Amino acid sequence: AQSVTQLGSHVSVSEGALVLLRCNYSSSVPPYLFWYVQYPNQGLQLLLKYTSAATLVKGINGFEAEFKKSETSFHLTKPSAHMSDAAEYFCAVSDSASGYQKVTFGIGTKLQVIP
Amino acid sequence: ETGVTQSPTHLIKTRGQQVTLRCSSQSGHNTVSWYQQALGQGPQFIFQYYREEENGRGNFPPRFSGLQFPNYSSELNVNALELDDSALYLCASSLNPGQGNGELFFGEGSRLTVL
Repeated sequence: AQSVTQLGSHVSVSEGALVLLRCNYSSSVPPYLFWYVQYPNQGLQLLLKYTSAATLVKGINGFEAEFKKSETSFHLTKPSAHMSDAAEYFCAVSDSASGYQKVTFGIGTKLQVIP
Repeated sequence: ETGVTQSPTHLIKTRGQQVTLRCSSQSGHNTVSWYQQALGQGPQFIFQYYREEENGRGNFPPRFSGLQFPNYSSELNVNALELDDSALYLCASSLNPGQGNGELFFGEGSRLTVL
């Protein structure tokens, strides 16, 4: 069974500071990993995904994430936070073992950016 | 390119009633997945439809059912509504359901309130 744990349901950073959102996963087979962002009253939008190519994945809006198999982690980072980054971020895991695309999401981390 | 659209955006029902939510998939996508997102939680997988058949299901009771039509649009039906069914229902379309590595394209959701 696959699962995702996001550490910290709320994270606050100052504008211009480093953003670090933590995600650990569990999967019985090599996983596909995703980060999605959700703005208020909207659906989810893909930020980036890991699909077994490069372990450092670059996404939209200056975000990136590094896949570390030994730590079963896929933390999301951005060097300098912008006010527009305030949103909820979801880490997700998927695999092909079930024969269909079941994506399991974490509980989410709400990012607050302080001016 | 037309994105994923959902209707209605908001609705209020009472316990015991039935509800139908609708989703039009993104142009060219043949797979539709439905997720339930309760307040403060991550999306939970309900089921997935591919070629008009349900090909995967999460831990939801049979009163949650669905359909997919030849044009790949989809419906989610929930019978005998309970208070805990109050949530944002998200539809997502995608390609390659068996590979697990595809991006999900989400609609903005239908917010259901059960009184």
